[in-house]
Amino acid sequence: SQQGEEDPQALSIQEGENATMNCSYKTSINNLQWYRQNSGRGLVHLILIRSNEREKHSGRLRVTLDTSKKSSSLLITASRAADTASYFCATVLYSGGGADGLTFGKGTHLIIQP
Amino acid sequence: DAGVIQSPRHEVTEMGQEVTLRCKPISGHDYLFWYRQTMMRGLELLIYFNNNVPIDDSGMPEDRFSAKMPNASFSTLKIQPSEPRDSAVYFCASSFRTEVRYTFGSGTRLTVV
Repeated sequence: SQQGEEDPQALSIQEGENATMNCSYKTSINNLQWYRQNSGRGLVHLILIRSNEREKHSGRLRVTLDTSKKSSSLLITASRAADTASYFCATVLYSGGGADGLTFGKGTHLIIQP
Repeated sequence: DAGVIQSPRHEVTEMGQEVTLRCKPISGHDYLFWYRQTMMRGLELLIYFNNNVPIDDSGMPEDRFSAKMPNASFSTLKIQPSEPRDSAVYFCASSFRTEVRYTFGSGTRLTVV
């Protein structure tokens, strides 16, 4: 089952603009991660934010986490053509045996128009 | 480190044939994960291993799917017999723990005709 759900499903903006993607999840988490996938490639880890953090930065990336609303957002500032990719949020579900593997949403497909 | 290495990159096979996908994780990573990605279902976790031992295979769709990890540097995912609905991109990933960053391979695009 899918834990995270990204919104919007697709986003097209002009180069230089900021891109914001959102993720909602269903259960309690220890952390939430964001990944990028370029067409035809594997997923690449971007950033991890812990449940006790509210905001985290990495270069042009800014991630926020609101555990009360079970939501996160990924902001890419000053977008570039190379940012064109699909972006996924991912969390770990916990079962009786402990932490399961990461579950991913269906992603936001971001297109940066030159 | 060369990263997670998967082979083959592409596989086209006929329905009913056996397919074997291969993965070499990053040295030192204790966890190995197999995912399947389709447009309809997104990324699905099929099975994962900890120290070569299968921990959770509840995502394996049918008995036609099997996975092994004979040692810390090699894992296989086998489909026998293959069916057209198995067509997808299969990813292998490895990690130090289930809750931290995963490193993904480039995937195997499987087409069953």
